[in-house]
Amino acid sequence: LAKTTQPISMDSYEGQEVNITCSHNNIATNDYITWYQQFPSQGPRFIIQGYKTKVTNEVASLFIPADRKSSTLSLPRVSLSDTAVYYCLVVQQGFQKLVFGTGTRLLVSP
Amino acid sequence: DAGVIQSPRHEVTEMGQEVTLRCKPISGHDYLFWYRQTMMRGLELLIYFNNNVPIDDSGMPEDRFSAKMPNASFSTLKIQPSEPRDSAVYFCASSPRPHIGNYGYTFGSGTRLTVV
Repeated sequence: LAKTTQPISMDSYEGQEVNITCSHNNIATNDYITWYQQFPSQGPRFIIQGYKTKVTNEVASLFIPADRKSSTLSLPRVSLSDTAVYYCLVVQQGFQKLVFGTGTRLLVSP
Repeated sequence: DAGVIQSPRHEVTEMGQEVTLRCKPISGHDYLFWYRQTMMRGLELLIYFNNNVPIDDSGMPEDRFSAKMPNASFSTLKIQPSEPRDSAVYFCASSPRPHIGNYGYTFGSGTRLTVV
């Protein structure tokens, strides 16, 4: 499984766009990039997954450059309720195990 | 759908006692996972099942831990005897398929275990 590196913490203010970058230099051809969000006292929640280029859903966008050695989770116009830990994972296609790293603790202030 | 249901939400027990954590996965989900989360070690995968069969238990810390899935709608994680270092939040998750495509695992709200 490819190792991921992401910032330990980030601070932002309400209404700003937040970009969290994750590096995964050893990503393999069959690997996908996946992001989960965890609020205090809750289990992780799937946000978005992508293989290359850009993926967008109602929650976030995921940007993946051509070499796929990094990815950026973009949260548009964050609110206080976006304060959470965000995990970047590299998942092998068809693989069952999810291995979580330390994640990025995002704090959104008024 | 009620999601993944775990019970109890909180458990406080004395060292040496047996503890049983319970999980009801989402109906139709063939995969079930048990995770443990602590400040020091983060989220750790303990064991996972496919169609009620344990597939990988390499994350189970020691023989004091055991997990069963007697049917598709119920799983237990048992610790006997419990120790203070077992204090953590234990999460159960389920999925209808391996992590592929734009679909993730659904986690329960967890059981916060405190062993005193």
